[in-house]
Amino acid sequence: DQQVKQNSPSLSVQEGRISILNCDYTNSMFDYFLWYKKYPAEGPTFLISISSIKDKNEDGRFTVFLNKSAKHLSLHIVPSQPGDSAVYFCAAIFSGTYKYIFGTGTRLKVLA
Amino acid sequence: GAVVSQHPSWVICKSGTSVKIECRSLDFQATTMFWYRQFPKQSLMLMATSNEGSKATYEQGVEKDKFLINHASLTLSTLTVTSAHPEDSSFYICSAERGDTNNEQFFGPGTRLTVL
Repeated sequence: DQQVKQNSPSLSVQEGRISILNCDYTNSMFDYFLWYKKYPAEGPTFLISISSIKDKNEDGRFTVFLNKSAKHLSLHIVPSQPGDSAVYFCAAIFSGTYKYIFGTGTRLKVLA
Repeated sequence: GAVVSQHPSWVICKSGTSVKIECRSLDFQATTMFWYRQFPKQSLMLMATSNEGSKATYEQGVEKDKFLINHASLTLSTLTVTSAHPEDSSFYICSAERGDTNNEQFFGPGTRLTVL
């Protein structure tokens, strides 16, 4: 049973426009969420995170929104750049552990 | 800071042999390290949690006798794939937690294992 889901396996966006990547989770006990970016044959790199006590966190071009009632979070990238093309994973954590539950990933392609 | 390395970055071996993959935290001490496996076009699957000085905790469905994990020091964890078979071919990634970073794990660059 997939506790963290990314229902869009792929997304194409024009350079300069907004990229919105979505993530849904089923367990209301998750209280910390992270987004990672991954290039082929490389390890994931951390992008941004959000605690369940917040509904928004912003870092430069990246903003993560959390809607706890809907058990949904999203990553906004504005403006999108060709270098943003990668696979994006969301991850959820239970408080007090470091055990990540990863989503299935969304491949973002930013078109020049 | 917070660099995690893996060695080797890729390895090709014959079926039936064992392969050891090392994961090192280069500039911090990691009491807990994690091993993941990624199949093509699939998510990162947590295999086990490795704690320094104690036995690893394996996820359901992961054979502990097949994937031997040793966390001998605060900066080194090893994953040994024993009697490797072609179905063990995958991309293996480790990560380390640095306790002061708000639940963040730092990932290694991964190891591509191909079993012939």
